[in-house]
Amino acid sequence: LAKTTQPISMDSYEGQEVNITCSHNNIATNDYITWYQQFPSQGPRFIIQGYKTKVTNEVASLFIPADRKSSTLSLPRVSLSDTAVYYCLVGDRLNAGNMLTFGGGTRLMVKP
Amino acid sequence: KAGVTQTPRYLIKTRGQQVTLSCSPISGHRSVSWYQQTPGQGLQFLFEYFSETQRNKGNFPGRFSGRQFSNSRSEMNVSTLELGDSALYLCASSPGQPANQPQHFGDGTRLSIL
Repeated sequence: LAKTTQPISMDSYEGQEVNITCSHNNIATNDYITWYQQFPSQGPRFIIQGYKTKVTNEVASLFIPADRKSSTLSLPRVSLSDTAVYYCLVGDRLNAGNMLTFGGGTRLMVKP
Repeated sequence: KAGVTQTPRYLIKTRGQQVTLSCSPISGHRSVSWYQQTPGQGLQFLFEYFSETQRNKGNFPGRFSGRQFSNSRSEMNVSTLELGDSALYLCASSPGQPANQPQHFGDGTRLSIL
């Protein structure tokens, strides 16, 4: 499973767009990129998953460049409730099954 | 649709005891995975069950075991508890096939060892 590197923490203000970049230099051909959000004393919550280019859903966008060695999670117009830890995961879901490998995550603090 | 349910939410045990944690997956989900979360080690994969069979296993000692029932509900057991087993234990479920489906997590059981 490819190792991921993401910033330990980030600060933002309400209403701003937040971009969290994850580096995964050793990503393999069959690997997907998945982001989870976790609030204190709760389980992680799936945000978005992608393989290449851009994926958008109702809460976030995921940008993946052509070489796939990094990815950026974009949260538009954050609010105080977006304060959480965000995890970037990379793995061959088809072969590794549901064995997720979590890194340290990025602790996002949204300020008023 | 009800989410993943874990019971109990909180548990206090002493060293040497054993404990059983329960997880009810989302209806229709056949894969259940277990994770341990601690401040020092973060989120670590314990094992995954699919159709009552262990499909993947993480790097944990044999004191950690699990099983899955025919209705997909799962239990994990930890024997001879140690202080270092204090953690938040999370259960996640997914349809299981195909494997690249997002997992849905419960809110965990917080286990404290005295």
